[in-house]
Amino acid sequence: AQSVAQPEDQVNVAEGNPLTVKCTYSVSGNPYLFWYVQYPNRGLQFLLKYITGDNLVKGSYGFEAEFNKSQTSFHLKKPSALVSDSALYFCAVSPKEKGGGADGLTFGKGTHLIIQP
Amino acid sequence: DAGVTQSPTHLIKTRGQQVTLRCSPKSGHDTVSWYQQALGQGPQFIFQYYEEEERQRGNFPDRFSGHQFPNYSSELNVNALLLGDSALYLCASSLFQSNSPLHFGNGTRLTVT
Repeated sequence: AQSVAQPEDQVNVAEGNPLTVKCTYSVSGNPYLFWYVQYPNRGLQFLLKYITGDNLVKGSYGFEAEFNKSQTSFHLKKPSALVSDSALYFCAVSPKEKGGGADGLTFGKGTHLIIQP
Repeated sequence: DAGVTQSPTHLIKTRGQQVTLRCSPKSGHDTVSWYQQALGQGPQFIFQYYEEEERQRGNFPDRFSGHQFPNYSSELNVNALLLGDSALYLCASSLFQSNSPLHFGNGTRLTVT
């Protein structure tokens, strides 16, 4: 069975500074990896995904993530944080062998990102 | 182009009752998945429907059942409600066995008293 760990419940960053939200995963075989963001009382919005190819994935709103197979990590990054980036961020994984990237995702518990003005 | 829509937005039920939640997928999508998000937790996969059949199921009891209609919309039914069923229920749509990401609705907040 697959699993996702987001070791930080909360990350605090000053506006304009770079941010990193950590994610490690466990899955049999090769993974599909995703980052989603959730605003209060809303559903999840897709940010970016890793399917195959380049280990550095660029996504929405200036976010990017780096896939590291040896460390089984997929950390979310942004060079310069905005106050509007404050939200709840979820990392998710699905095994490629199941056939589809959107199948039965396993999510982490989420990390609250707080950007201070 | 409408995204994923869910109804109702909020629901209060009593322990032991039954509930039905509804979902219309994003236009062009043929697959619907349901997730349960308890307070302070990440979403947990309940099941996925494609071609009106349950294709995958997570670790949920058979009190949780679903249905998909020919127009791809879906229902989630929960019988014999428990206090622990209180959660945000999220519907997500996608294209079956593709690399496309899930598109989520805003969810139905179910409170069981």
